Amino acid sequence: AQSVAQPEDQVNVAEGNPLTVKCTYSVSGNPYLFWYVQYPNRGLQFLLKYITGDNLVKGSYGFEAEFNKSQTSFHLKKPSALVSDSALYFCAVSGSNDYKLSFGAGTTVTVRA
Amino acid sequence: EAQVTQNPRYLITVTGKKLTVTCSQNMNHEYMSWYRQDPGLGLRQIYYSMNVEVTDKGDVPEGYKVSRKEKRNFPLILESPSPNQTSLYFCASSLTVTGGVGYTFGSGTRLTVV
Repeated sequence: AQSVAQPEDQVNVAEGNPLTVKCTYSVSGNPYLFWYVQYPNRGLQFLLKYITGDNLVKGSYGFEAEFNKSQTSFHLKKPSALVSDSALYFCAVSGSNDYKLSFGAGTTVTVRA
Repeated sequence: EAQVTQNPRYLITVTGKKLTVTCSQNMNHEYMSWYRQDPGLGLRQIYYSMNVEVTDKGDVPEGYKVSRKEKRNFPLILESPSPNQTSLYFCASSLTVTGGVGYTFGSGTRLTVV
């Protein structure tokens, strides 16, 4: 069975500081990894995905994520956080043999001015 | 505009009164799925459909039904809602059934069962 762990319920950073949201996964076969963001009273918006190739993936709004196969991690990063980045972030995984997308519990990011 | 449309956005109902949440996508996607979102639990899959007339249970199917009579529509049916089904529900669709494509999500339906 595939699963995703987001070890931090909340991440708090000051505006302008680097932001990291952690994610580890477990899946059979090669992983397909995703990050989604949810703003209050909104649906989930796609940020970025890793399918194959470069371990560093660049996505929307200046976010990037690093795939680390040996550590089974896919941490989300942003070099300089903005107050508008405050939201709920979800990591998700599916396997190359499984179309089901499994989500982590989510991490609430708060960026203070 | 390519999108997944859910209705209603908000719904308050009483225990035992049957309800349907509609979901429609205009992208000719094969794969559709329903999730429920609860605090601290993330999104959990209720049912999914790989194509017309092909549906299967996800992780938390109890108390729910679905149908896929047309490619674009995938309604979620609660025959006898109970308070533990109070949640935020999302419909999602994907171009193919193979992994790696990612989902497009609807805006969500906040259901309260009293």
